[in-house]
Amino acid sequence: EDKVVQSPLSLVVHEGDTVTLNCSYEVTNFRSLLWYKQEKKAPTFLFMLTSSGIEKKSGRLSSILDKKELSSILNITATQTGDSAIYLCAVGDRITLVFGKGTRLSVIA
Amino acid sequence: GAGVSQTPSNKVTEKGKYVELRCDPISGHTALYWYRQSLGQGPEFLIYFQGTGAADDSGLPNDRFFAVRPEGSVSTLKIQRTERGDSAVYLCASSSTGVGEAFFGQGTRLTVV
Repeated sequence: EDKVVQSPLSLVVHEGDTVTLNCSYEVTNFRSLLWYKQEKKAPTFLFMLTSSGIEKKSGRLSSILDKKELSSILNITATQTGDSAIYLCAVGDRITLVFGKGTRLSVIA
Repeated sequence: GAGVSQTPSNKVTEKGKYVELRCDPISGHTALYWYRQSLGQGPEFLIYFQGTGAADDSGLPNDRFFAVRPEGSVSTLKIQRTERGDSAVYLCASSSTGVGEAFFGQGTRLTVV
């Protein structure tokens, strides 16, 4: 059975801190790994990583895929209160996306 | 449309009733997914459409759940004889490529009382 595990499940940091969120997976037919940010109901797309694109960066956010270790990290530097959200990792297999439970990040001023 | 649209945004129904949840995907997106998210959990796959056909419905929990996409655009998730355990946020997503960048709607929060 395909599985995606995220850690930690929750995290509280102060503004300006740097955080690293982890995602590991076991998927039979790996195609891609995606990161989403969920603040209320709709997850919003952050990054997609594939075998041909193992590192992505956008502003203070960056992500790396380690296909050998079957894992990915999401880094957020200089955190702001607006970064508070649930961060979801999802792995695309042949058909669909399998999600982890998410990491709840709280950034306090 | 500009994004994935789901209606209603909230639905409260009595146990045993029938409900329909609607999803209007991004125009031109052939792939459409339904997910269900319970509190403290990640989204759980229900069904995937490629065009008009259900390419994978292995995530539907039982035969009370059914989904259609008759014209390859709007999809409706139908739940018969609702139970309190069906209470969750139902998310719809669409993608132009399938298992690429899937874009989610705001979801429908279903509460069965």
